[in-house]
Amino acid sequence: AQTVTQSQPEMSVQEAETVTLSCTYDTSESDYYLFWYKQPPSRQMILVIRQEAYKQQNATENRFSVNFQKAAKSFSLKISDSQLGDAAMYFCAYRSASGSARQLTFGSGTQLTVLP
Amino acid sequence: GAGVSQSPSNKVTEKGKDVELRCDPISGHTALYWYRQSLGQGLEFLIYFQGNSAPDKSGLPSDRFSAERTGGSVSTLTIQRTQQEDSAVYLCASSYPSAGQPQHFGDGTRLSIL
Repeated sequence: AQTVTQSQPEMSVQEAETVTLSCTYDTSESDYYLFWYKQPPSRQMILVIRQEAYKQQNATENRFSVNFQKAAKSFSLKISDSQLGDAAMYFCAYRSASGSARQLTFGSGTQLTVLP
Repeated sequence: GAGVSQSPSNKVTEKGKDVELRCDPISGHTALYWYRQSLGQGLEFLIYFQGNSAPDKSGLPSDRFSAERTGGSVSTLTIQRTQQEDSAVYLCASSYPSAGQPQHFGDGTRLSIL
């Protein structure tokens, strides 16, 4: 079974600065997808960024980028020019690309605080 | 609507009662998922529906939990004889069937068992 580990329960960053959230995972599969979701107090899970394991190029979405290290099974999220609206719980998630399992396996989350 | 809709938003009930939670997925999404999020925790998979295939019930924690999806659209999660440990936020998500397609989540139902 796959597992996802987020070792930083809480992080804080000064507004306009850069912060990196860590995520590692364990799998025996070679083909899979990785996601970062953001959950503000409204509870809704919002997709931040997605990475296909077969792509070596790191995904980027505006101020959000990932550092995907497949051999190390590491998938960190970098937030540049942090804004107050980035404050939320961030979850890393894994999804198999093969077989019948289509559910997401989530880490325990990192609570990000943005300081003005 | 444009997004995944869940109702009720909040539910408070007494221990031992049955509850039904509803999820209306995004139109055209054939895959539907239920997850449970206990206080301060990550999401735990409960059940997955894909089209007319038999659902994947491997995440259901006990036989008190069941779910159905009528007409390939709306889904209902039922918890019978609720216990205090069932208190959590129940999140529904939907997506297109491909593994690379992102899941879109509703706002969840916060269930509180007294």
